[in-house]
Amino acid sequence: DAKTTQPPSMDCAEGRAANLPCNHSTISGNEYVYWYRQIHSQGPQYIIHGLKNNETNEMASLIITEDRKSSTLILPHATLRDTAVYYCIVRGFGGAQKLVFGQGTRLTINP
Amino acid sequence: DGGITQSPKYLFRKEGQNVTLSCEQNLNHDAMYWYRQDPGQGLRLIYYSQIVNDFQKGDIAEGYSVSREKKESFPLTVTSAQKNPTAFYLCASSVTARGPYEQYFGPGTRLTVT
Repeated sequence: DAKTTQPPSMDCAEGRAANLPCNHSTISGNEYVYWYRQIHSQGPQYIIHGLKNNETNEMASLIITEDRKSSTLILPHATLRDTAVYYCIVRGFGGAQKLVFGQGTRLTINP
Repeated sequence: DGGITQSPKYLFRKEGQNVTLSCEQNLNHDAMYWYRQDPGQGLRLIYYSQIVNDFQKGDIAEGYSVSREKKESFPLTVTSAQKNPTAFYLCASSVTARGPYEQYFGPGTRLTVT
């Protein structure tokens, strides 16, 4: 699976959009981009995933660049409850289908 | 209310004892997974199961054992052979192990062995 690079930490004001970047320059054609988040001492929570088109659900939007080498997770109206570590994961279909979590981005939402 | 349950939330054991962590799902998912997370680290795959009565070793299976006798249940036993068992253990499930299906996680069990 391709490696991802994320900033270690970010801050965002409550009510504003939080934009979390992820670089995955070695992504291959059949690999999807997944986003999870983990609030302290809880299990990771699935947010969204995509292959090449932009995706939106009730939690967030995922913007994938045309060359697929980077993506951005957008939380449109951040709340204090969105404070968490956000993980960008690239995953293909072979083998165990395991999720490889890197260090992620620690997002802090400030009142 | 569908989801994945893990019990207990906190577990304390003495060194040399085996301990079994429970994981149950009512999502009708075929695939189930066990991960381990150490402080400040990402998740590492211990075992996974694609279907009932089948399971495969992950990256760090030594010192652990699993069973998958029912679709809903995937218990993990931490044996005395596991050298550093103190960790946060997470169970997950997905519709199937094949294809781009997301994994859903339980709340985790924090195991402390002294």
